[in-house]
Amino acid sequence: ELKVEQNPLFLSMQEGKNYTIYCNYSTTSDRLYWYRQDPGKSLESLFVLLSNGAVKQEGRLMASLDTKARLSTLHITAAVHDLSATYFCAVNRDDKIIFGKGTRLHILP
Amino acid sequence: DTGVSQDPRHKITKRGQNVTFRCDPISEHNRLYWYRQTLGQGPEFLTYFQNEAQLEKSRLLSDRFSAERPKGSFSTLEIQRTEQGDSAMYLCASSLYGIETQYFGPGTRLLVL
Repeated sequence: ELKVEQNPLFLSMQEGKNYTIYCNYSTTSDRLYWYRQDPGKSLESLFVLLSNGAVKQEGRLMASLDTKARLSTLHITAAVHDLSATYFCAVNRDDKIIFGKGTRLHILP
Repeated sequence: DTGVSQDPRHKITKRGQNVTFRCDPISEHNRLYWYRQTLGQGPEFLTYFQNEAQLEKSRLLSDRFSAERPKGSFSTLEIQRTEQGDSAMYLCASSLYGIETQYFGPGTRLLVL
């Protein structure tokens, strides 16, 4: 059974600091996704990572994938309050998308 | 608006009633997905369609749940004899086969009393 674990589940950090969210998954997969969800809202796609060593960046967010370690990271650089949200990673296997429980990120001004 | 739309956005029903939700995907997208999300959890995969064919169905989808996509465009998700445990946000997403990004709709929030 494919399992996706995120760490940490809750993160409170100061503006201007850097931090990393980790996503581990239990079996091989050919696709890894990162999504953002604001309270009461739907999910917004951030990144899709397809191959080992893939790195994608958008603004202050950078995602990477290590398929051998079954690990993806979402790195936040110089956090700003607007990045406060819940971040989900999700993994594809046989066209079934399995989500982690999410990391609730709270950035203090 | 060319995004994924869902209707209704909110539904309150009594236990034992049937409910039906609709999802209109982005028009050229041939894949359509249904998820359920409860408070504090990630979305759980329920089922997906490629065009009108239902290709995968989660074990979470009991016999009371049925989904259709009759013409390969919009989809409906019906829950029969609702139970309080069905209370959740039901999310629909669509994508184009071969292009992996899924676009999510705003969701239908169901409350079963």
